[in-house]
Amino acid sequence: KAGVTQTPRYLIKTRGQQVTLSCSPISGHRSVSWYQQTPGQGLQFLFEYFSETQRNKGNFPGRFSGRQFSNSRSEMNVSTLELGDSALYLCASRNPGGPLETQYFGPGTRLLVL
Amino acid sequence: LAKTTQPISMDSYEGQEVNITCSHNNIATNDYITWYQQFPSQGPRFIIQGYKTKVTNEVASLFIPADRKSSTLSLPRVSLSDTAVYYCLVGALGTDKLIFGTGTRLQVFP
Repeated sequence: KAGVTQTPRYLIKTRGQQVTLSCSPISGHRSVSWYQQTPGQGLQFLFEYFSETQRNKGNFPGRFSGRQFSNSRSEMNVSTLELGDSALYLCASRNPGGPLETQYFGPGTRLLVL
Repeated sequence: LAKTTQPISMDSYEGQEVNITCSHNNIATNDYITWYQQFPSQGPRFIIQGYKTKVTNEVASLFIPADRKSSTLSLPRVSLSDTAVYYCLVGALGTDKLIFGTGTRLQVFP
């Protein structure tokens, strides 16, 4: 079974631009969560989508948004990029209610904002 | 929200047992404790999860005392390939109450 895939793997943007990151979950997984990882703040939860609806949201500004499609693929968008948005963005998928309640992470998209 | 703290780094030698502790004083009743391993340029990989007492799988054991304010990941007989960063995660999946620890960088020497 293929794992979680994220595209692109690397991205360079400039301040003020916007960016869209994509995540394809493990087949059959209906929940996709997004995380931001930085050296200073560590791993922080952004939001979770399930059945095309945002279920939970972490403490991030409204510039960070996402959506989920009917095939469970998810996109994350960051508008008006700031230097501090440079980070590794990870998505994780899971199948709520499964025998092992855990999530599987993709390799991440490394975003550099100049 | 549970704040989680871990040692920044640990060193070990091949074949030794390594114990990494995570402190989470404000853990909530419905929070689980999950440990992940992360290699450079990869996403975290699930190691083990528990709620209380002891859990063991083929790669690790997880010890959680009765008050659940801490947890200890035990890696038996580490090898060079266990060199990685280890994170504890406290919270319940499906909620917004997910707190990762600061991560422990484990270096295994030959």
